[in-house]
Amino acid sequence: KAGVTQTPRYLIKTRGQQVTLSCSPISGHRSVSWYQQTPGQGLQFLFEYFSETQRNKGNFPGRFSGRQFSNSRSEMNVSTLELGDSALYLCASSWGTENQPQHFGDGTRLSIL
Amino acid sequence: AQSVTQLDSQVPVFEEAPVELRCNYSSSVSVYLFWYVQYPNQGLQLLLKYLSGSTLVESINGFEAEFNKSQTSFHLRKPSVHISDTAEYFCAVSQTGANNLFFGTGTRLTVIP
Repeated sequence: KAGVTQTPRYLIKTRGQQVTLSCSPISGHRSVSWYQQTPGQGLQFLFEYFSETQRNKGNFPGRFSGRQFSNSRSEMNVSTLELGDSALYLCASSWGTENQPQHFGDGTRLSIL
Repeated sequence: AQSVTQLDSQVPVFEEAPVELRCNYSSSVSVYLFWYVQYPNQGLQLLLKYLSGSTLVESINGFEAEFNKSQTSFHLRKPSVHISDTAEYFCAVSQTGANNLFFGTGTRLTVIP
């Protein structure tokens, strides 16, 4: 069974640009969550999508947005990039019922110049 | 609100020695507890979880953790570590009815030959 797939693995952007990251969950999983990992702030929850609807949201500015498609694949978009957005962005999928373990992809490392 | 404290940022230990990685949490509601491991340039892998039932949970590779409600702790232990256990370990909690995880700041375990 294929795991969670995130593309691209590495990305370099400049300030002010926007970026879209992609996540394909494990087959059958309907919940996709996104996390940001930085050395200073650690792992922080961005948002969760379930059945194409945002079900939960962390404390990030509106520049961070996401969506989920009917096949459960998800995309995350960050607009007007700032230097502080440099991070490893991790996607996790689960069945979606309460407190089922989340399975993580290897992440997309975003560097802002 | 939930929070997770991992007091030890780095733990060096000799090969075949025992190790304990500490995790304390605070929450006003019932929580579920998880330990994840992260190897360099990879995502997070679920090590073990406590959802309910027996307070002692075990993983397939020799780690165990005990949920202690009175001390709000979920410490991770292994009686004999291997070189391959060198990684970063994250303790995480989620509250009942929600899927998002709150992570501790991580403990870097280094096994010394």
